[in-house]
Amino acid sequence: DIVMTQSPDSLAVSLGERATINCKSSQSVLYSSNNKNYLSWYQQKPGQPPKLLISWASTRESGVPDRFSGSGSGTDFTLTISSLQAEDVAVYYCQQYYTNPRTFGQGTKLEIK
Amino acid sequence: QVQLQESGPGLVKPSETLSLTCTVSSGSVISFYWSWIRQTPGKGLEWIGYIYYSGSTNYNPSLTSRVTISVDTAKNQISLKLTSVTATDTGVYYCTRHEGGGYNAYWGQGTPVTVSS
Repeated sequence: DIVMTQSPDSLAVSLGERATINCKSSQSVLYSSNNKNYLSWYQQKPGQPPKLLISWASTRESGVPDRFSGSGSGTDFTLTISSLQAEDVAVYYCQQYYTNPRTFGQGTKLEIK
Repeated sequence: QVQLQESGPGLVKPSETLSLTCTVSSGSVISFYWSWIRQTPGKGLEWIGYIYYSGSTNYNPSLTSRVTISVDTAKNQISLKLTSVTATDTGVYYCTRHEGGGYNAYWGQGTPVTVSS
């Protein structure tokens, strides 16, 4: 199985400041034939299901604010929130869909400092 | 926009079978892949398996001996059966629809399941 490891486990950032969450996979999730990274990011608020933010490591979903961005390739990925808003308080997860079993990171809890 | 709604018993006894249904509205099960994912205190988010509308399946090896996922195109439903449940199967169960290469674009609200006598 591909192990997804996120860092940090929790993060406190001031409103308007940048938040950075890292995700590392135990093996590459870059598919060489199409040069795509099979990596997605989700946001989960209390009492709600996860919500897809980013697919293919860096493609923002429709309706997701442009302060959210994804980057990275191969085994190392980053989710960045450029200017933290109060509504961004949530747990964030990365997931690989490169191979089965699909696996998730353990989550990063983002709070306001 | 497609909507997914999970349903089923909220309480299951140990060693019994957990049975859940995901009803799809404002869309069809046809032409898509559908997953079951659970969120448990012990393992966080865990992919259980997926099914294509044609009926082909792929399961998590850690659960494959106990899991069956099926699809009913006439009823626009996807079902999950998990046998011989224990307390470690307690959690919230979600159904999702895949897009593109297999990321989970749409999620149901989830249904909580407790395994207890």
